[in-house]
Amino acid sequence: GESVGLHLPTLSVQEGDNSIINCAYSNSASDYFIWYKQESGKGPQFIIDIRSNMDKRQGQRVTVLLNKTVKHLSLQIAATQPGDSAVYFCAENMKGGSEKLVFGKGMKLTVNP
Amino acid sequence: GAVVSQHPSWVICKSGTSVKIECRSLDFQATTMFWYRQFPKQSLMLMATSNEGSKATYEQGVEKDKFLINHASLTLSTLTVTSAHPEDSSFYICSARASREAFFGQGTRLTVV
Repeated sequence: GESVGLHLPTLSVQEGDNSIINCAYSNSASDYFIWYKQESGKGPQFIIDIRSNMDKRQGQRVTVLLNKTVKHLSLQIAATQPGDSAVYFCAENMKGGSEKLVFGKGMKLTVNP
Repeated sequence: GAVVSQHPSWVICKSGTSVKIECRSLDFQATTMFWYRQFPKQSLMLMATSNEGSKATYEQGVEKDKFLINHASLTLSTLTVTSAHPEDSSFYICSARASREAFFGQGTRLTVV
């Protein structure tokens, strides 16, 4: 199940289940979104991206859904494996004077064998 | 994908000293690099955007005189934490952009004692 603490919310699932990680982004003008996976003590690793002119994109075992109406992103991981345990962040490409990548709050996924 | 190398991966320094962190794009040229800071169990917070050959753009609340950024070439950006204090202890991560995609370094764990 999901729990929210003072910092990172956590999601615990059983191996083989499908996982859904949600993210709210802040800027309606953002035109590009990325999901990253971060393992302890490492930098973020690219998972999948989506442009604002799309509402769904599929990769290998992962799907990203974009709902611009409510500024919401989700990452679906099929057949979750223990190796998927990590912290997941969404990031939005904010347009302005210079484009910058701003990260959402993140969620820790724990996959139980 | 493209490789971004960050050095050192960890550093311990005494209060009052300065520390330099390097970020290199190894197989591509990056006109823009980003510096992030991450506290335990929190998301990545954008500190500044570094553009080759020009001054960095700092996010609100980030002291430009304390966090000196230099982007002297298309493959190298440096972050210098000046007069470091224990509250500067954190995980610092750089990112280099190649078109839309952003590639991340492995991070630098800074501990100020």
